[in-house]
This record gives sequence, structure tokens and C-alpha cells, in this order.
Amino acid sequence: AAGVIQSPRHLIKEKRETATLKCYPIPRHDTVYWYQQGPGQDPQFLISFYEKMQSDKGSIPDRFSAQQFSDYHSELNMSSLELGDSALYFCASSSSEGGGSPLHFGNGTRLTVT
Amino acid sequence: KQEVTQIPAALSVPEGENLVLNCSFTDSAIYNLQWFRQDPGKGLTSLLLIQSSQREQTSGRLNASLDKSSGRSTLYIAASQPGDSATYLCANRGSTLGRLYFGRGTQLTVWP
Repeated sequence: AAGVIQSPRHLIKEKRETATLKCYPIPRHDTVYWYQQGPGQDPQFLISFYEKMQSDKGSIPDRFSAQQFSDYHSELNMSSLELGDSALYFCASSSSEGGGSPLHFGNGTRLTVT
Repeated sequence: KQEVTQIPAALSVPEGENLVLNCSFTDSAIYNLQWFRQDPGKGLTSLLLIQSSQREQTSGRLNASLDKSSGRSTLYIAASQPGDSATYLCANRGSTLGRLYFGRGTQLTVWP
């Protein structure tokens, strides 16, 4: 079965640079969630989209922005990168149909800021 | 805000033991609860999902229970194996499209 696809798998950037992370949800899933997991930490919710509209917002820095496109894929844009942004970034998708489905997670993008 | 707590934070046992991992949450108005496994530096693998109307779910050697009234869930692992070594996270969701609230996980080590 198709899973959530995230790209790239690994990304190395320098401080003050920008980064774009991409997420391709499971086909027919209309909701996308972004999470950040620092070393030894639990995943922290950043933001979510339902039908291309922002549906919820968590602890996402102002330097970050995200959107969901017409084909339901989503991109997380990160600017003025800081060392503390180094983390594993997960995308998850779910479907609102039939009362909702579980969240399915991608394998994540490991961002290293040097 | 939903707070999710997992106990113990770490557990080290010889293989063959039956284990219980605990998860508690502050808001009983949950939509569902999921247990995940995470290997070091890897993604989140969903193990079991319990809807709010259900009491438990089973998959192989894993059994998860949910008691909404007390705000608790337990993950029972039978006959543990070294391959079970990983971090186990519980997370709950308050609504159909809602975010997952994660606990900090239980780091499990099963030694031969």
C-alpha cells in the first residue's frame, strides 16, 4: 500500500539559510500534519492542513511557513535557519471520510543545521 | 491542553518477560488513541489504534487497552524479544481532524 512520502530524507544547511521540506500524502487523504522531533524529544506538532486550508497551528516559529497544494501535497518552508532547528521533521496524513482515519506518518526528513 | 504522560521512561528486561507500558492523559474527551514504535533515528510505526468507543485492541503479542474514565491506556507486550527494543509512544487525538498529542515515550531494551 502507498505510504506518506517525504523528501528529502536528509538535508544539511548552514545557519541563516532556507530549507523546503516536501510531503506527499497517501492518495485520497485530505489532511496533512507536520511534526518536529528534536533529539530525545517527543514529536511536537507544528501545523496541519485540511482541504488546502490551515486547520490547526501549534508551536511553529514565525520563520516557518507551510501550505497544502491542489494535489494535496504539502511543503514546509523554513527560513533563517538556526542550530536549534536541527531535528527530524515528520509529515503525517489522514482522511476525513468515514469518520476519519488514523494518522499515517512518513519516514521523516532529518535536517541538520551547521 | 492535552497532557500525555508515559511511565516508565525507560525499561530494561531479559527476553521472555511480559511487559506493561503505561500512558495517562489529562483530557478524557479523546477521539482515539494510538501506540507507536520508533527505532532510533527512524520514523513512527503505528502499532495499535483504539477508538474512543473501544476498550482494547490486539495485534499478535501486543494488546492495548483504553479506560477513558480514568484517562489511561496500557500497552501489554507478551513474551518480549530483543527485536522489541525501541521507544514506544502513545498519542491521542481529540477530534476527527485533530492533531495527535504525544507522550515522551518509554525506551524499551530487551536483552537476550
